Amino acid sequence: DSGVTQTPKHLITATGQRVTLRCSPRSGDLSVYWYQQSLDQGLQFLIQYYNGEERAKGNILERFSAQQFPDLHSELNLSSLELGDSALYFCASSARGNTEAFFGQGTRLTVV
Amino acid sequence: SQQGEEDPQALSIQEGENATMNCSYKTSINNLQWYRQNSGRGLVHLILIRSNEREKHSGRLRVTLDTSKKSSSLLITASRAADTASYFCATDASTGFQKLVFGTGTRLLVSP
Repeated sequence: DSGVTQTPKHLITATGQRVTLRCSPRSGDLSVYWYQQSLDQGLQFLIQYYNGEERAKGNILERFSAQQFPDLHSELNLSSLELGDSALYFCASSARGNTEAFFGQGTRLTVV
Repeated sequence: SQQGEEDPQALSIQEGENATMNCSYKTSINNLQWYRQNSGRGLVHLILIRSNEREKHSGRLRVTLDTSKKSSSLLITASRAADTASYFCATDASTGFQKLVFGTGTRLLVSP
């Protein structure tokens, strides 16, 4: 158990809909990362937060947004969903000044 | 965009044999990390090597780093069927805030 909790584990939704994925980092970790992994693909970096502030942005679509709350949990919002958004979405956290990351088990999103 | 490229994409060996995976990257880095992913599950951190280190060991794992060639290798000695997984390298770039950009991964199959 990495200590990073992601909910829900599975999500099936229709095209055009909006979903919210939630991540609780390891206790004490200030940095949260979001990644997208499509079938048989590597991990695409989406966005990073550190102590509530956005620190880095990757290939995140405008339809996607994220935030980190004062209690350090983070949410990734995906809107106007398309079939191609079907993927595993991972959250990871790391301690301050240490980029070794601890990953959650992911949310498997299926858009139908 | 992917920072790292792993080679080979897939590797099939017998138990007891050694497995070597390579990673090439594009920009200067602070450190390079290797992660393991069992099918459809979260990634697990294996080992971190800093840019001023050339070799590091952890149990049956040996990692090398050649910053002049922008490449790293992961050697798993005396492989076991339980080592079957995908292995990813991830780089922590030395400029900007972006962290942990992952490569495309090597799928390792260890047969009993």
